[in-house]
Amino acid sequence: NAGVTQTPKFRILKIGQSMTLQCAQDMNHNYMYWYRQDPGMGLKLIYYSVGAGITDKGEVPNGYNVSRSTTEDFPLRLELAAPSQTSVYFCASKETVVYGYTFGSGTRLTVV
Amino acid sequence: QKEVEQDPGPLSVPEGAIVSLNCTYSNSAFQYFMWYRQYSRKGPELLMYTYSSGNKEDGRFTAQVDKSSKYISLFIRDSQPSDSATYLCAMGSQGGSEKLVFGKGTKLTVNP
Repeated sequence: NAGVTQTPKFRILKIGQSMTLQCAQDMNHNYMYWYRQDPGMGLKLIYYSVGAGITDKGEVPNGYNVSRSTTEDFPLRLELAAPSQTSVYFCASKETVVYGYTFGSGTRLTVV
Repeated sequence: QKEVEQDPGPLSVPEGAIVSLNCTYSNSAFQYFMWYRQYSRKGPELLMYTYSSGNKEDGRFTAQVDKSSKYISLFIRDSQPSDSATYLCAMGSQGGSEKLVFGKGTKLTVNP
C-alpha cells in the first residue's frame, strides 16, 4: 500500500547541475501533479498530467521539465539548477472521480 | 487580489480550545473546497472535503463553505496537541485538469 513514492528525500545540488526527481504511484491514478512549497508561500503548481503522454504547464514551470510515459511515473527534471529552485517538492495524484489529492512525502532540494 | 487568501498565523491555543481557521477566495468558479493538514516535514494529507455551500462534520472537525461570501472555515473542537500542524485550504472547479489552488497555510500549535 505504497501510495505516492518520491525519491530522493533530500538532495544538495551545485549551481548548474541537473537532476531528476522521481515520483511513482501504484493507485492507477490518471492525474498527477508537481508542486513546490517555499516557506510561507503555500504550494505552487509546476507541471501536471491528466494521463500518460499528456503534460501541461502550471503556475511556475520555468527551469523544469516533465514526462509521463506511463500511468505510474511522473519524473520532474531540473536543468541547470539555480538557487531559486531551493524548495520542497511534492508530487501528488488523484483518481478521475475523486477531488482530493494523495501527496508524496516530498523531496527537500538545496541548490548551492 | 490573490485567488486564495489564508492568514498564515501562527496560531497558538491551549488544549481543549475551539480553533477557527479561515480562507477567502476570489474565483466564483470554485466548486469544491478542501482542508489539508501538514505535519512538519511531511506531505499534506486530506482532512475535509466539501462540495458547494454548507457544512460538513467529521468528529471534532467541521468545515463550512459560504459561496455567497467566498469564505470557507475549518473548526476544530476540543483541540489536542496532536492537532499541531499547518492547515492548508484548497479549492478547485470540475473538469479539465482538476487543478487545486492552495492557500499559504496556517500554522497551529496546541499547547498541553
